[in-house]
Amino acid sequence: EVQLVESGGVVVQPGGSLRLSCAASGFNFNDYIIHWVRQVPGKGLEWVSLINWDSSTTFYADSVKGRFTISRDNGKTSVYLQMNSLKTEDSALYYCVKEGSYSAFDFGGQGTMVTVSS
Amino acid sequence: DIQMTQSPASLSASVGDGVTITCRASQSVSTYLSWYQQKPGEAPKLLIYGVSSLQIGVPSKFTGSGSGTDFTLTISSLQPEDFATYYCQQSYRVPYTFGQGTRVEI
Repeated sequence: EVQLVESGGVVVQPGGSLRLSCAASGFNFNDYIIHWVRQVPGKGLEWVSLINWDSSTTFYADSVKGRFTISRDNGKTSVYLQMNSLKTEDSALYYCVKEGSYSAFDFGGQGTMVTVSS
Repeated sequence: DIQMTQSPASLSASVGDGVTITCRASQSVSTYLSWYQQKPGEAPKLLIYGVSSLQIGVPSKFTGSGSGTDFTLTISSLQPEDFATYYCQQSYRVPYTFGQGTRVEI
């Protein structure tokens, strides 16, 4: 069974830093691109970042570029999102998702909540 | 960035009805178009990928169609569990963008 479990979401002050983790299991982790997607409660979905199988390719949404860094550890079947210089508008539920056929997001976790507030 | 525009933003329907949601891309996304269902308090769930391919375990009442820039999701014979918000998404070009969502309510 494919599982992705996010963790690390907390309340943090503006300007602060946070690292989210995503632990994956149930599939050949090394073969897949992993993404982070976020959602403000009650609002729509926003793609945040992706990392390819060997970490040679990463992309970021303009809204987080230069502040967030995605990484992965294939030995630990985990993906991370280092979030720096956090803004109130970064407050959201962050989902870790696996890319499948036609680059669709075929499996994801239940999300971890990040709240940026003073 | 490719903009994805869904319509309508919300719709009301009854159990047993069929509904159609449309999604328009600001430029061609080839066949890299997916649909997701999200219920309150739950993570989004993939329904359809590659315009019209049904994700494993998704009932055939969900049908996707379209090409290039114009796509539709059709749901036949609505059941109580189908009342949710539906999103389209393009994965043709980074940043992968979503439509704003269509809320299907009773």
